[in-house]
Amino acid sequence: GESVGLHLPTLSVQEGDNSIINCAYSNSASDYFIWYKQESGKGPQFIIDIRSNMDKRQGQRVTVLLNKTVKHLSLQIAATQPGDSAVYFCAENFFSGGYQKVTFGIGTKLQVIP
Amino acid sequence: DAGVIQSPRHEVTEMGQEVTLRCKPISGHDYLFWYRQTMMRGLELLIYFNNNVPIDDSGMPEDRFSAKMPNASFSTLKIQPSEPRDSAVYFCASSTEGGSSVYGYTFGSGTRLTVV
Repeated sequence: GESVGLHLPTLSVQEGDNSIINCAYSNSASDYFIWYKQESGKGPQFIIDIRSNMDKRQGQRVTVLLNKTVKHLSLQIAATQPGDSAVYFCAENFFSGGYQKVTFGIGTKLQVIP
Repeated sequence: DAGVIQSPRHEVTEMGQEVTLRCKPISGHDYLFWYRQTMMRGLELLIYFNNNVPIDDSGMPEDRFSAKMPNASFSTLKIQPSEPRDSAVYFCASSTEGGSSVYGYTFGSGTRLTVV
């Protein structure tokens, strides 16, 4: 088995407050970015996406901001609810070696305090 | 739609045994992906198919791993022989063609593999 594992960054937020989850991506040529939510025992679930020609996109209670200058992505969740507790991943899409590649970040664990 | 269906949900096997993981993508999706998730490495792409044809298998760790997609509704990931370091959660995902392999990405619930 594994003796050393990743220690996921954890964000603890009071229910009703806004949450901001950050992600630094690696490839300046990435053209598409996605946020996923993974609840315990489940697969990642698509939340919201943004193309590289945009800097902001809003969904229901969620907003994604993209800053290409510093290669930074953030996910804002308004009025955080207990059901938002999960691990959140950002992913970037780019071309490499003739193929489209998707790379996921390590994730941030969001804990909502009731 | 039942989504992406993976089986089994859990698999415990002894080192050296063959393990076969199965995936049924969403009907009409023509991209299928196999991912592995561990605490050490997070989510790693192993291989993906387009219209049943393997496109990029550069993420497959070694020859012990093989994947097939005999038809549009079924794919397998096989490990032979299995080793304890293969213990992980294996996810299958499918998507529709749309200019990017990640458009409409839907993951299955995963197979948790434990090799003892």
